[in-house]
Amino acid sequence: QVQLVQSGAEVKKPGASVRVSCKASGYTFSNYDINWVRQATGQGLEWMGWMNPNSGNTGYAQKFQGRVTMTRNTSISAAYMELSSLGSEDTAVYYCARAYGSQYYFDYWGQGTLVTVSS
Amino acid sequence: QSVLTQPPSASGTPGQRVTISCSGSSSNIGRNTVNWYQQVPGTAPKLLIYSNNQRPSGVPDRFSGSKSGTSASLAISGLQSEDEADYYCAAWDDSLNGEVFGGGTKLTVL
Repeated sequence: QVQLVQSGAEVKKPGASVRVSCKASGYTFSNYDINWVRQATGQGLEWMGWMNPNSGNTGYAQKFQGRVTMTRNTSISAAYMELSSLGSEDTAVYYCARAYGSQYYFDYWGQGTLVTVSS
Repeated sequence: QSVLTQPPSASGTPGQRVTISCSGSSSNIGRNTVNWYQQVPGTAPKLLIYSNNQRPSGVPDRFSGSKSGTSASLAISGLQSEDEADYYCAAWDDSLNGEVFGGGTKLTVL
């Protein structure tokens, strides 16, 4: 069965960077884009960007351009999202999600990783 | 301020039919398909409806989706207590070149 398993919670100081991992299993990793979506406490879902595991191509939401980097390691079917210059407003749960097909819907999600930014 | 507009809350009693609206523009809903996600607080979102009106396997046929022009809606018939959750619409936006979400609708089963 398809699974996306994310790394554990992180606590970071303002100005630091964080890297969240997302390990895929149960399907051919390189065949589906991985997207990242975040959710601040009590708030809605916010799309951050996508990565094609086959080519490594990426596309980021304008809000995060220059601050986010999405990469992958195909040998272990893992995707990574690194966010730099963290501020308190980046405190949120970060989800990875598999995007299916040209209709581009997110059919499988990771369990989420809480990133807390605090001095 | 979300690109797609949803009512912040909705409610109904068991057995009732509830609809949740999602309003967008020509660059998102007007050109692309709409997907709906259900999120029980404290858990990851779950795909509920894709491509405007398709249900993934395992989603009860009580849930249905529709789209017209730059708006979409989610209907839940035969409301059950376990339907109490947050519901989000989403679509690709060609102008922003990214996925956009609605602000979410909190459904309460009275």
